[in-house]
Amino acid sequence: GDSVTQMEGPVTLSEEAFLTINCTYTATGYPSLFWYVQYPGEGLQLLLKATKADDKGSNKGFEATYRKETTSFHLEKGSVQVSDSAVYFCALTLITGGGNKLTFGTGTQLKVEL
Amino acid sequence: NAGVTQTPKFQVLKTGQSMTLQCAQDMNHEYMSWYRQDPGMGLRLIHYSVGAGITDQGEVPNGYNVSRSTTEDFPLRLLSAAPSQTSVYFCASSYARGRGEQFFGPGTRLTVL
Repeated sequence: GDSVTQMEGPVTLSEEAFLTINCTYTATGYPSLFWYVQYPGEGLQLLLKATKADDKGSNKGFEATYRKETTSFHLEKGSVQVSDSAVYFCALTLITGGGNKLTFGTGTQLKVEL
Repeated sequence: NAGVTQTPKFQVLKTGQSMTLQCAQDMNHEYMSWYRQDPGMGLRLIHYSVGAGITDQGEVPNGYNVSRSTTEDFPLRLLSAAPSQTSVYFCASSYARGRGEQFFGPGTRLTVL
């Protein structure tokens, strides 16, 4: 079946450090790929998305490129801030008769320290 | 727009009790779903609906029932709560067609003793 694998956390960085969170996927078709962010005590919010190969999603300084050849969608940010501390989820969805179902990775907790 | 709302925010149940988690959205989305979030397991799909009167099972449906009588509401029922159902529950909605964003509610934290 479809699946998403993320690097395990927690990831602890100093403010202004470079961030990479790895995400790879397995899917039978051509999925759309997403990064969602969950701040403490809140629900999930969409951070960025890409719907086809070589698309780059970007938002709030975060970027991820849909790499079909390596089945990857790694999240990057050049300079993290304390306010970026959250849990990040990689996810995919495929168009099926069952609608818009998301398959999530297990999440990666990011802690940014001063 | 309120987006996706969930009630209650917190709930404690005893084993064997029943309850309903409420979810409502005001964006006229066809697709609604329930996920549970457990440590180290990400979010797993419980049930989903592609429109009023249509529901189907997700990855972990056992112990849960749903119905969809209106576009706006998608309640999740626990028939006889078990400690294994201790979790955080999220409701989400989106347009059924295409591959767009799903909008999540703030969650319900459920503890079953």
